[in-house]
Amino acid sequence: DVKVTQSSRYLVKRTGEKVFLECVQDMDHENMFWYRQDPGLGLRLIYFSYDVKMKEKGDIPEGYSVSREKKERFSLILESASTNQTSMYLCASSFHLAASSTDTQYFGPGTRLTVL
Amino acid sequence: DAKTTQPPSMDCAEGRAANLPCNHSTISGNEYVYWYRQIHSQGPQYIIHGLKNNETNEMASLIITEDRKSSTLILPHATLRDTAVYYCIVRVVYAGGTSYGKLTFGQGTILTVHP
Repeated sequence: DVKVTQSSRYLVKRTGEKVFLECVQDMDHENMFWYRQDPGLGLRLIYFSYDVKMKEKGDIPEGYSVSREKKERFSLILESASTNQTSMYLCASSFHLAASSTDTQYFGPGTRLTVL
Repeated sequence: DAKTTQPPSMDCAEGRAANLPCNHSTISGNEYVYWYRQIHSQGPQYIIHGLKNNETNEMASLIITEDRKSSTLILPHATLRDTAVYYCIVRVVYAGGTSYGKLTFGQGTILTVHP
């Protein structure tokens, strides 16, 4: 079974703090994604990566950065946390289509971040 | 990606089949139908996907109409643990180059399985 893990289920931070969210997958997937989920807004893509050290902006990258130094690990960084970044953060991973017939995304359990 | 329409909520008795409909009348030929579900406070869970043929796996069956304008997810013997929000998503699976594709989740169907 595919396993995607996230470093924390719940996190509480203060405004202005630098926040690191870690995601690890054990299926040798090339693609990794960070989404946030808010009531009434569905899932919104923040950043994604299709290879080590590669990253692409999603729909809402402002206020975030990412790092992918190893294939299995994708980190989301909030440079200076703000209250409007209080949300559920979801990491996902998938195969690259060149290696598989499907690019089904598999999700981690999520991190519920509260910024006070 | 094509838009989907799902009923906002459905009920099902435990042990019975749950049939969740999805309308995707503007689907194009290279778009797949994906189903995910999300149990409260957890990450979305992949269930099944298909292009035009019916599909079955250990979790569910997916029935796609011949014109591909609608589909039905079937949970053959629903349990209380199947209570969740079910999302029907239609999207292109990129055939080459950089493989990526954000998932666009709509409002989904809240399925409640009761004893």
